[in-house]
Amino acid sequence: AQKVTQAQTEISVVEKEDVTLDCVYETRDTTYYLFWYKQPPSGELVFLIRRNSFDEQNEISGRYSWNFQKSTSSFNFTITASQVVDSAVYFCALSGQGGSEKLVFGKGMKLTVNP
Amino acid sequence: NAGVMQNPRHLVRRRGQEARLRCSPMKGHSHVYWYRQLPEEGLKFMVYLQKENIIDESGMPKERFSAEFPKEGPSILRIQQVVRGDSAAYFCASSPDRGRGLTFGPGTRLTVT
Repeated sequence: AQKVTQAQTEISVVEKEDVTLDCVYETRDTTYYLFWYKQPPSGELVFLIRRNSFDEQNEISGRYSWNFQKSTSSFNFTITASQVVDSAVYFCALSGQGGSEKLVFGKGMKLTVNP
Repeated sequence: NAGVMQNPRHLVRRRGQEARLRCSPMKGHSHVYWYRQLPEEGLKFMVYLQKENIIDESGMPKERFSAEFPKEGPSILRIQQVVRGDSAAYFCASSPDRGRGLTFGPGTRLTVT
């Protein structure tokens, strides 16, 4: 069975601090996809990234970066120089072979960035 | 190019009533997925539909819940005889094909009083 664990449930930081959100996953599939979504207070889901299990390159997009480590089954997300607008619940998710649509989500991590 | 549309955005029902949640996928998308987010939880897969077919309903509760995606019109998630435990956010997502990723709608927040 597939499983996603986000051990941190809530983090509070001060603006401009860097913050890393941890994600550990379990799967028996050899091909799978990993995702991060952001859910701001307004409630919608905002797609951040999708990563194929064969692509272990780290990715950077502006202040966001992702560290995929297959050896430790982790897909951590770092926000550099956090801003108040980053305050949201962040979800890590996993899907298996056959498509990337049936997602298993972690329980989410609530990030609060204080001015 | 409108995204995934869901309505209503907020729905209040009394225990025992029926709830109907609608989802219009993005233009050109024929695959629809429903997910449920209980309070303080992550999203959980409920059902995957293509036009006129239920492909995977492994996440649907066995009773009171049903889903359809007719040839014409939106996908409907129907909850009969709602109970307080059905209070949640229900998200619809669509995809043009398998392996092409999901676009989520804004969700419908159901409150059962």
